[in-house]
Amino acid sequence: QKEVEQNSGPLSVPEGAIASLNCTYSDRGSQSFFWYRQYSGKSPELIMSIYSNGDKEDGRFTAQLNKASQYVSLLIRDSQPSDSATYLCAVRVNEKLTFGTGTRLTIIP
Amino acid sequence: DAGVIQSPRHEVTEMGQEVTLRCKPISGHDYLFWYRQTMMRGLELLIYFNNNVPIDDSGMPEDRFSAKMPNASFSTLKIQPSEPRDSAVYFCASRAKGLEQFFGPGTRLTVL
Repeated sequence: QKEVEQNSGPLSVPEGAIASLNCTYSDRGSQSFFWYRQYSGKSPELIMSIYSNGDKEDGRFTAQLNKASQYVSLLIRDSQPSDSATYLCAVRVNEKLTFGTGTRLTIIP
Repeated sequence: DAGVIQSPRHEVTEMGQEVTLRCKPISGHDYLFWYRQTMMRGLELLIYFNNNVPIDDSGMPEDRFSAKMPNASFSTLKIQPSEPRDSAVYFCASRAKGLEQFFGPGTRLTVL
């Protein structure tokens, strides 16, 4: 079992709709959780971090964490074509970040 | 702040040659990480440093790879000799303890 698992997609969502990205992790000692966005040919860019159970909202983005289920999600409301990218889930145990393989999201105009 | 700086941005070399990748972390960040990204394996942690000291190099694929951090503002990742399977994008990232991690623009390495 991979340490961090994501659906590889591609996930296609109409413009203006809600995109839902999911991630599960195996290490119960995981302390911090992150979502990075990566455009083709670019480096990963941090968009959300979450440290405790529940929801965290930042603009059109909402991160959700459920430690009992070892599950992290990212919701993107009012999806825009500029949201088309690969989204990487990352989990920190001690000082190391482990990344999932990413979900490729395409927003259809 | 200029962010994490990496050089070169692109490197094309022939099998057997030595390759050196360079990284300047964000000022004040005491953790530095080297990652490799490929389509097949995704983003893999190779090694990380804390206060210039290598802490975990378990991700370094083999002895051909080595990394150093002689001071707080500079790190290198060296591959000697290089092989075609080393072709990938290599990222450097840095952060302060307990805070978020930021990536450099990456070095795209092609070994012919």
